[in-house]
Amino acid sequence: EVQLLESGGGLVQRGGSLRLSCAASGFTFSSYGMSWVRQAPGKGLEWVSGISKSGDATYYVDPVKGRFTISRDESKNTVYLQMNNLRGEDTAVYYCALKNTLLGGAFDIWGQGTAVTVSS
Amino acid sequence: SYEVTQPPSVSVSPGQTASITCSGDKLGDKYTSWYQQKPGQSPVLVIYEDRERPSGIPERFSGSNSGNTATLTISGTQTMDEADYYCQAWDSSVGVFGGGTKVTVL
Repeated sequence: EVQLLESGGGLVQRGGSLRLSCAASGFTFSSYGMSWVRQAPGKGLEWVSGISKSGDATYYVDPVKGRFTISRDESKNTVYLQMNNLRGEDTAVYYCALKNTLLGGAFDIWGQGTAVTVSS
Repeated sequence: SYEVTQPPSVSVSPGQTASITCSGDKLGDKYTSWYQQKPGQSPVLVIYEDRERPSGIPERFSGSNSGNTATLTISGTQTMDEADYYCQAWDSSVGVFGGGTKVTVL
């Protein structure tokens, strides 16, 4: 079964750090780019960051540039999101998603999400 | 930065057709995907490459994309289709989502 399982969310103070993990199973992890997408409470989806299948290219939405870092570990079939200098507006459920280039870059597999709450 | 715009809400009677638009500059030159999200659940892909349906998605879901507008159409809408719908495209490897459209079936 194809699966993405996020972990690492929680409550953190403003200015603090968290590292989210997304463990992949059921598919050839090294063949796909991966992304993180977040959803603030009561709001819509926001693409946050993406990493190429080889890990040599990374991309970020402007509000997180310089604060968030995406990476992947092929030996653990896991993608990470290191989040530093967290702000209140980073409070959201963070989803890991598989970018399928065979489907025009659509996200055809999503995790269940992990909640991040930044307190002041 | 690139943006795509959706109407906040659409209402439809059961059995009728719901159309949700997604507008962006030259959006027709990009592939658009559509996602359905029900409360408390992760998004589900319903349309990719403008008009293709993943396996398991009912035929009543269809899509199109031309010019500056992509459209998701739900024909013969059922109560189970009540959900939030998001369009998504890529702009130079940066993902972009629309603000979402709440579809109410009443």
